[in-house]
Amino acid sequence: GAVVSQHPSWVICKSGTSVKIECRSLDFQATTMFWYRQFPKQSLMLMATSNEGSKATYEQGVEKDKFLINHASLTLSTLTVTSAHPEDSSFYICSANSAGGREQYFGPGTRLTVT
Amino acid sequence: GNSVTQMEGPVTLSEEAFLTINCTYTATGYPSLFWYVQYPGEGLQLLLKATKADDKGSNKGFEATYRKETTSFHLEKGSVQVSDSAVYFCALSNNAGNMLTFGGGTRLMVKP
Repeated sequence: GAVVSQHPSWVICKSGTSVKIECRSLDFQATTMFWYRQFPKQSLMLMATSNEGSKATYEQGVEKDKFLINHASLTLSTLTVTSAHPEDSSFYICSANSAGGREQYFGPGTRLTVT
Repeated sequence: GNSVTQMEGPVTLSEEAFLTINCTYTATGYPSLFWYVQYPGEGLQLLLKATKADDKGSNKGFEATYRKETTSFHLEKGSVQVSDSAVYFCALSNNAGNMLTFGGGTRLMVKP
């Protein structure tokens, strides 16, 4: 149980285009989802926390207009990287936990390359 | 604020060697402590956890003990395998929102 999926697993896009990454909880209802960014050989940096049906809370220094997060249902959150640039190339990982749960379950990650 | 400090890698060991990866933390209250493992090209998997002082988390031969007096949660394994090669992250959580604070990660390379 407690499986989180991400789609796509990798994506290449051209500079200036937008890319949407999906994060789904497959066998539980995720009241809270988290989006992380990981640079090569570095730790995870929390970008934002989203609760179902409400606006995401962004960490300091993360541009909310560039990284649009939508948590429209209890099983799906999306991260849209708008007007992507090469510096947005990174590994994006989502995680989720259920109501009252103290453990986060992580997705397999999405590697974004912007050319 | 909360912080987690891990020993820098990479750590290179021969198969069947003993492993220790140090982790210390700074936090208010009584956090829960975690070790996550990340295999190449994959997301994070929970390896083990401990939710209160003196608890020992264990899984797949790995173990770590929650030491409040030294604010540490060192990861150990008695005999590593090549398949243990991965990046290991120590993390803590101490709020209702379950936000995790990660250490910098330690890359482990096990050679046959």
